[in-house]
Amino acid sequence: DTGVSQDPRHKITKRGQNVTFRCDPISEHNRLYWYRQTLGQGPEFLTYFQNEAQLEKSRLLSDRFSAERPKGSFSTLEIQRTEQGDSAMYLCASSLTGRYGYTFGSGTRLTVV
Amino acid sequence: TQLLEQSPQFLSIQEGENLTVYCNSSSVFSSLQWYRQEPGEGPVLLVTVVTGGEVKKLKRLTFQFGDARKDSSLHITAAQTGDTGLYLCAGDGSSNTGKLIFGQGTTLQVKP
Repeated sequence: DTGVSQDPRHKITKRGQNVTFRCDPISEHNRLYWYRQTLGQGPEFLTYFQNEAQLEKSRLLSDRFSAERPKGSFSTLEIQRTEQGDSAMYLCASSLTGRYGYTFGSGTRLTVV
Repeated sequence: TQLLEQSPQFLSIQEGENLTVYCNSSSVFSSLQWYRQEPGEGPVLLVTVVTGGEVKKLKRLTFQFGDARKDSSLHITAAQTGDTGLYLCAGDGSSNTGKLIFGQGTTLQVKP
């Protein structure tokens, strides 16, 4: 068990470009979550998958954001036409039931310049 | 809207001192979790409490869930420099999705 992996760890992009992040959860975990964290704040929920089904999306997730989890394995989070306000740490987490805690990845730090 | 308020936001203490971090809400949570996060890394789960009044100990850390399941506290005895980090409480308001509501965090600095 190698934990939750996120790639890339850091991404610097120009405003208006598209970016895609990948998350590989713990293999036995059927639940996968994406959160966004800005400096000095706690993580904010973005979206949640149970297996391949995306069951909930936050209002924070504008139509420029899309997430997928094909075949219930890895997940991708894409941001189109990035804006400076998208600069944040994007965290992925997985769990079996959700109630007893998550395992987080190390995150992807996005900087939009 | 469920909110979790953590206090204090910042804490700077000397090694060997004791401290308590509080996590409060007006909402009831089915469970509450505490995480520790280091700069540039994801949060790491410390403990989950699920029963009102529950107390859990993890070495020098003591976690308590309020009787009404609306608040929690984290007490550290004889803090060490290795305890430095961001402490986050997170509540699970929905027993079905596992979606967590996080507090804004408490930044702890333990000086040698």
